[in-house]
Amino acid sequence: DAGVIQSPRHEVTEMGQEVTLRCKPISGHNSLFWYRQTMMRGLELLIYFNNNVPIDDSGMPEDRFSAKMPNASFSTLKIQPSEPRDSAVYFCASSLRSGGGEGQFFGPGTRLTVL
Amino acid sequence: AQTVTQSQPEMSVQEAETVTLSCTYDTSESDYYLFWYKQPPSRQMILVIRQEAYKQQNATENRFSVNFQKAAKSFSLKISDSQLGDAAMYFCAYRRGGSRLTFGEGTQLTVNP
Repeated sequence: DAGVIQSPRHEVTEMGQEVTLRCKPISGHNSLFWYRQTMMRGLELLIYFNNNVPIDDSGMPEDRFSAKMPNASFSTLKIQPSEPRDSAVYFCASSLRSGGGEGQFFGPGTRLTVL
Repeated sequence: AQTVTQSQPEMSVQEAETVTLSCTYDTSESDYYLFWYKQPPSRQMILVIRQEAYKQQNATENRFSVNFQKAAKSFSLKISDSQLGDAAMYFCAYRRGGSRLTFGEGTQLTVNP
């Protein structure tokens, strides 16, 4: 079975440009999570969805960040405009919502560099 | 709010030896789940082992086992017969029901040949 798929794996862009990160969760999973990982702040939850509905976006740093989940098999995280401090590894993860004991399964991450 | 603490930023072990990574957490809930994730240099986050709080029996996955002390809110990971491929950052995590995972700061494990 395919795991969580993220694209692109690497993204280098210039400050002020729009960046879109993409995620395909594991089929059948109904919760999706976006994380950001930096050396300074570790792993931070940005937003998560249950059944395509955003549940908690309190981790989204500011209005420049937005996330959508138009259907059960696709989600995007958009940064517009991007800034150098957005440079990080962005992970998408998915899980079964019920119970919660199954754990979250992570994608390979997108390494974003904003120059 | 739940917090997860890993007090060992770095640990090292000799190949074939056993190492224990510590984790404590704070919660007022009685029903929850605990996890250990491994992040090798590839950056991939890999689920190593999970524990349901309502189960007294400690979880085991091959060379990986946990020591779950609910009253003490402690959840340590033991790696037996350490292998070079075990070298990674290890994160302890807490989850209640269908809510978010709360991660610790991580422990960087080095395996010496």
